[in-house]
Amino acid sequence: KNQVEQSPQSLIILEGKNCTLQCNYTVSPFSNLRWYKQDTGRGPVSLTIMTFSENTKSNGRYTATLDADTKQSSLHITASQLSDSASYICVVAPSNTGKLIFGQGTTLQVKP
Amino acid sequence: DTEVTQTPKHLVMGMTNKKSLKCEQHMGHRAMYWYKQKAKKPPELMFVYSYEKLSINESVPSRFSPECPNSSLLNLHLHALQPEDSALYLCASSLGGRGGYTFGSGTRLTVV
Repeated sequence: KNQVEQSPQSLIILEGKNCTLQCNYTVSPFSNLRWYKQDTGRGPVSLTIMTFSENTKSNGRYTATLDADTKQSSLHITASQLSDSASYICVVAPSNTGKLIFGQGTTLQVKP
Repeated sequence: DTEVTQTPKHLVMGMTNKKSLKCEQHMGHRAMYWYKQKAKKPPELMFVYSYEKLSINESVPSRFSPECPNSSLLNLHLHALQPEDSALYLCASSLGGRGGYTFGSGTRLTVV
């Protein structure tokens, strides 16, 4: 069964600190993996997208990694800011359908 | 233009009302999607249009009726909704394949 699991479910960190969010998936056949940031009540915004041949992709203070062998991905946030408070969703696209597989998300709260 | 525009941003409707949600994109994307998202849950796919034809209907109740008048527009017609249909409705579009999957900012729907 195609699944995407994220951990932790929620996280609280102090402003300026770094954090890493995890994503494990069992989706097959695999096309790409995406990380989205979603503010409460707003649509998801794409942070990174990686295919199986890409190990690392950066977008400003966000760095995503992908290990296609172990089917794991991480999203590292450097020097967190209050505006980073949001849900972060890991999404995997199978190559045989147009239906994305969503993780349950990690809710990040950055405190001053 | 790299956006998916959804209107209205907020909608309150009674259970006997008829209303419509609108989605528009001018990125040349040929696939468009409707998602429903409840609080603290990932988006759930409702409908997929590919080249203006309905390709996926995820067993959505008939009180939700999608329409794709042209390649840039996607509507969701609502009739006789229930309070449990209250949610954030997201539109998305994509080129297909590796990238170009963009979400709108959503319509917050409340059924009273």
